[in-house]
Amino acid sequence: DAGITQSPRHKVTETGTPVTLRCHQTENHRYMYWYRQDPGHGLRLIHYSYGVKDTDKGEVSDGYSVSRSKTEDFLLTLESATSSQTSVYFCAISLRQGARDGYTFGSGTRLTVV
Amino acid sequence: RKEVEQDPGPFNVPEGATVAFNCTYSNSASQSFFWYRQDCRKEPKLLMSVYSSGNEDGRFTAQLNRASQYISLLIRDSKLSDSATYLCVVNTNAGKSTFGDGTTLTVKP
Repeated sequence: DAGITQSPRHKVTETGTPVTLRCHQTENHRYMYWYRQDPGHGLRLIHYSYGVKDTDKGEVSDGYSVSRSKTEDFLLTLESATSSQTSVYFCAISLRQGARDGYTFGSGTRLTVV
Repeated sequence: RKEVEQDPGPFNVPEGATVAFNCTYSNSASQSFFWYRQDCRKEPKLLMSVYSSGNEDGRFTAQLNRASQYISLLIRDSKLSDSATYLCVVNTNAGKSTFGDGTTLTVKP
């Protein structure tokens, strides 16, 4: 399996607190993505990265920021968590631009905002 | 209307059955197509890409119909281990991916 790990696997946090989720890959893939998965919505793109310090917004980026200071690490930060951000968050990597070769996903982070 | 639509199911079939899922898409600029499998509380995993000429991988066959804008997945000789949710993914040439909500399959003994 591809080397992509997410941490933490589970987190419960209070409304209004900042939260950072980490994605780490050992595949040296240039392209990295953060998705969230909610019932009835499929997977929706939050932010993505084309390389170190090169990031862009996805379709549901409000309330989230990202950073990529190294090829292997892609961090997702919820600036001030809200209950609507309770979700399962998946990091993904792809070898080719636009994931034309498909995605490899991490195991996910289950985040609950209370 | 969603850009990518799947019948959510659930599809409940006996072992050994043949089952087919369809996925329709609305963006005619879509260029690449995929099926993913997602087990309960796990991450999606790439099952197969879908090529214009159709492609087969063991018991799985994927087909693309550009004229009618749908892709299909056929599973023959279903196994208990095929029970999962199957997601279709449609990519535009600009690199945008749209995921379907998934079709749930349960294979019963």
